[in-house]
Amino acid sequence: AQSVTQLGSHVSVSEGALVLLRCNYSSSVPPYLFWYVQYPNQGLQLLLKYTSAATLVKGINGFEAEFKKSETSFHLTKPSAHMSDAAEYFCAVSLQGGGSYIPTFGRGTSLIVHP
Amino acid sequence: DAGVTQSPTHLIKTRGQQVTLRCSPKSGHDTVSWYQQALGQGPQFIFQYYEEEERQRGNFPDRFSGHQFPNYSSELNVNALLLGDSALYLCASSLISRGGVTGELFFGEGSRLTVL
Repeated sequence: AQSVTQLGSHVSVSEGALVLLRCNYSSSVPPYLFWYVQYPNQGLQLLLKYTSAATLVKGINGFEAEFKKSETSFHLTKPSAHMSDAAEYFCAVSLQGGGSYIPTFGRGTSLIVHP
Repeated sequence: DAGVTQSPTHLIKTRGQQVTLRCSPKSGHDTVSWYQQALGQGPQFIFQYYEEEERQRGNFPDRFSGHQFPNYSSELNVNALLLGDSALYLCASSLISRGGVTGELFFGEGSRLTVL
C-alpha cells in the first residue's frame, strides 16, 4: 500500500518569497509521484509528475519538485510566490508497474500568499 | 479539445434519497475514476471504470455504485444518502495503455452534493 503525508495544512508566505510545500511518501515499490493544485470551486490540475526519469521535475507556473529516495520525499518549491499561487496543493503517489494505477492523495496544503 | 465535464455542478438532497452524478471524460480517454472530497480533505478514491467494468474500488460501501457506457462516459450513483455523503465528487479520466502507466489524471470541476 502507498500513502503520502503532507506536512502543514497551511503555509503562509509573502509575495516574492520562496514557496516550500512538503510531501513524504510511503511505498513498497518504486513510486510515481504527483503534485496537483486546486483553485477554489474547481477540480484538480496537474502541476508536475515524477515517473522515474530525472529526479528534479519541472512543472507549470514555475513550480518544481525533487524526488529524494533516501528521504522518501517529494517537496514542491517555487522561487518566488505570486498572489495567483494561492490555492490548495495535493501530493499524490501511485505505484509503478503498469496497468491501471490509483493515485492516493494527501490531505492537502493550503498556500496563502500575502501582498 | 473538451476536458472532463461533470453534471450537475451543485445539488441538494435529503437523507435517504438517491443521487446520480454524470461524467464525460476528456476526448480520447477510456478510463474514468471517481473520487469523494470532503471539506478540507484530499480526494478519496471511490472506484475506477474501464471497458464498462469496475476495475478497482476503494473503501466505500455498496451504496456507492457506478456505470460506464460504451462512449466512456460514466455515472456515479449513491443510494440511501447520509449526511456524511455531503462532499465534492470528482470525476477524473485517463488513458490506459497496456504495459505502463500512461500519465496523470484529468479532473472535472466536480459535483458538490449537500445532504440535509
